[in-house]
Amino acid sequence: KAGVTQTPRYLIKTRGQQVTLSCSPISGHRSVSWYQQTPGQGLQFLFEYFSETQRNKGNFPGRFSGRQFSNSRSEMNVSTLELGDSALYLCASSLTGAPGEQFFGPGTRLTVL
Amino acid sequence: AQTVTQSQPEMSVQEAETVTLSCTYDTSESDYYLFWYKQPPSRQMILVIRQEAYKQQNATENRFSVNFQKAAKSFSLKISDSQLGDAAMYFCAYRSAYGATNKLIFGTGTLLAVQP
Repeated sequence: KAGVTQTPRYLIKTRGQQVTLSCSPISGHRSVSWYQQTPGQGLQFLFEYFSETQRNKGNFPGRFSGRQFSNSRSEMNVSTLELGDSALYLCASSLTGAPGEQFFGPGTRLTVL
Repeated sequence: AQTVTQSQPEMSVQEAETVTLSCTYDTSESDYYLFWYKQPPSRQMILVIRQEAYKQQNATENRFSVNFQKAAKSFSLKISDSQLGDAAMYFCAYRSAYGATNKLIFGTGTLLAVQP
């Protein structure tokens, strides 16, 4: 079974631009969560989607948004990029909201210049 | 709010030796899950071991075991017979058992080096 895939793997943007990151969960998984990883703030929860509905959101500004499609694929969007948005963005999927294992993707490395 | 603390930014162990990574957490909840994740240089986060708070028995997965002390809110990871492939960043994480959410709260991580 294929694992969680994230595209693109690397991205370079300039301040003020917007970016869209994509996550394809493991087949059959309906829950997708996003995390931001930075050296300064560590791993922080962004949001979680289940069956196309956002059911939890972290403490990030409104510039960060996401959505989930009917095939469970998820995208996150960051508008008006700031230097501090440079990070590794990780996506994780799981079967349901039950206490199952979350499987992480390899991440997208975003650099904002 | 729940917090997770890893007080050891870096640890080092000789190959074949045993090492223990520390983790403490703070919560007012009585039911939750605790995890150790491994993030090697490839960056892919991998689940090492999971502990359910209502289970008193410490979880074990091959060379990996935990010492779960609920009253002390402590959750340490013991790696026995350390191997070069164990070198990675290790994150302790907390997940509430309440509500329909997979949200994980991570500690700051411990970078483990394995010396040959």
